[in-house]
Amino acid sequence: AQRVTQPEKLLSVFKGAPVELKCNYSYSGSPELFWYVQYSRQRLQLLLRHISRESIKGFTADLNKGETSFHLKKPFAQEEDSAMYYCALMHSAQKLVFGQGTRLTINP
Amino acid sequence: SAVISQKPSRDICQRGTSLTIQCQVDSQVTMMFWYRQQPGQSLTLIATANQGSEATYESGFVIDKFPISRPNLTFSTLTVSNMSPEDSSIYLCSVKGLAVDEQYFGPGTRLTVT
Repeated sequence: AQRVTQPEKLLSVFKGAPVELKCNYSYSGSPELFWYVQYSRQRLQLLLRHISRESIKGFTADLNKGETSFHLKKPFAQEEDSAMYYCALMHSAQKLVFGQGTRLTINP
Repeated sequence: SAVISQKPSRDICQRGTSLTIQCQVDSQVTMMFWYRQQPGQSLTLIATANQGSEATYESGFVIDKFPISRPNLTFSTLTVSNMSPEDSSIYLCSVKGLAVDEQYFGPGTRLTVT
């Protein structure tokens, strides 16, 4: 069965410090992985997807099939990065399986 | 991107009653989904709302408890039936965008059952 694990419920870093939000997955097929973000009082929105290999708002995520990981990274955190982050895996028929989420707080 | 609205945004209901949540999209979409987010938990897919046919439910969710309608390509409803406090959650509608792997989410409906 497919599963997404985000081991950290809470993560707090100082502004300007590097950030890494961990995500591990379990899936027998070829995974499609995403990071979604929910800022305070806003709806859930797509941050980035592994297939695009893009950098959004300074965030990147690399799919490591050997370690079954898709960690989200940013070299220099900003206060506006404070939000709830969800890692998600898409399996059959466009269905998403979400991790538990990590609440990221950037301290000034 | 698709703009999604949900009604109501929140409600407080008594146990044993039912609530119907509406999801409206500003453009025609092929796929619509309903998710639940229980307090302190992640999002869990309830069902895929199919236009013109019965919804496809995920394991642990049944039509009698969560009947879904999708009369056209821009609208869907989810009913939470015979509610109990365990149904207190945020219910979210999502739609598949034009890109094959893109999904957009509504603002959610916060339901509290007393």
